[in-house]
Amino acid sequence: QQPVQSPQAVILREGEDAVINCSSSKALYSVHWYRQKHGEAPVFLMILLKGGEQKGHEKISASFNEKKQQSSLYLTASQLSYSGTYFCGTESGDSWGKLQFGAGTQVVVTP
Amino acid sequence: EPEVTQTPSHQVTQMGQEVILRCVPISNHLYFYWYRQILGQKVEFLVSFYNNEISEKSEIFDDQFSVERPDGSNFTLKIRSTKLEDSAMYFCASSVQGQEPQHFGDGTRLSIL
Repeated sequence: QQPVQSPQAVILREGEDAVINCSSSKALYSVHWYRQKHGEAPVFLMILLKGGEQKGHEKISASFNEKKQQSSLYLTASQLSYSGTYFCGTESGDSWGKLQFGAGTQVVVTP
Repeated sequence: EPEVTQTPSHQVTQMGQEVILRCVPISNHLYFYWYRQILGQKVEFLVSFYNNEISEKSEIFDDQFSVERPDGSNFTLKIRSTKLEDSAMYFCASSVQGQEPQHFGDGTRLSIL
């Protein structure tokens, strides 16, 4: 079952903050966040694992509430390069490696 | 930085024909995946592959689909008899292990006529 993302879209001015949420009805082992620009491949941003471990290489932070099966991605002091569609991919304990992606959140950062 | 490479970038095929999409995963990665994305929609999982066998597959991955690792570097997705609804962008991804970041290739745009 696919995770639910919100909001569907957000428009920001450069320097503003935003939060993107991802929730699942299934018990999750991990949440992966990707950004996709138009016509390009999804680019890995961050993985949050059950137990608190996080791995990522962007200056974007995220949280994972294991009790609620929810994750949030925080876009802080947004830059023009943050524009794109953000997808969360969830991995449940009974199907490792199988990412179920949400419908995506379109982020537009304007000057 | 190592990349997942996919060929061709665009494939146009007549309905009913077989098509093979090719991927070279990152060299030290052990887990391989195929996803597809219909234009304007979300990314959908097709199949995961580890140790020369399928680990997981989705309901989309029916008998018309197969995957293979024919040698030490390539990972292929075959669609036996293509349908119009197979038109999509197909992404290959790989990861070091099963619960590690999955790195995506640039995709193959498959157009079925």
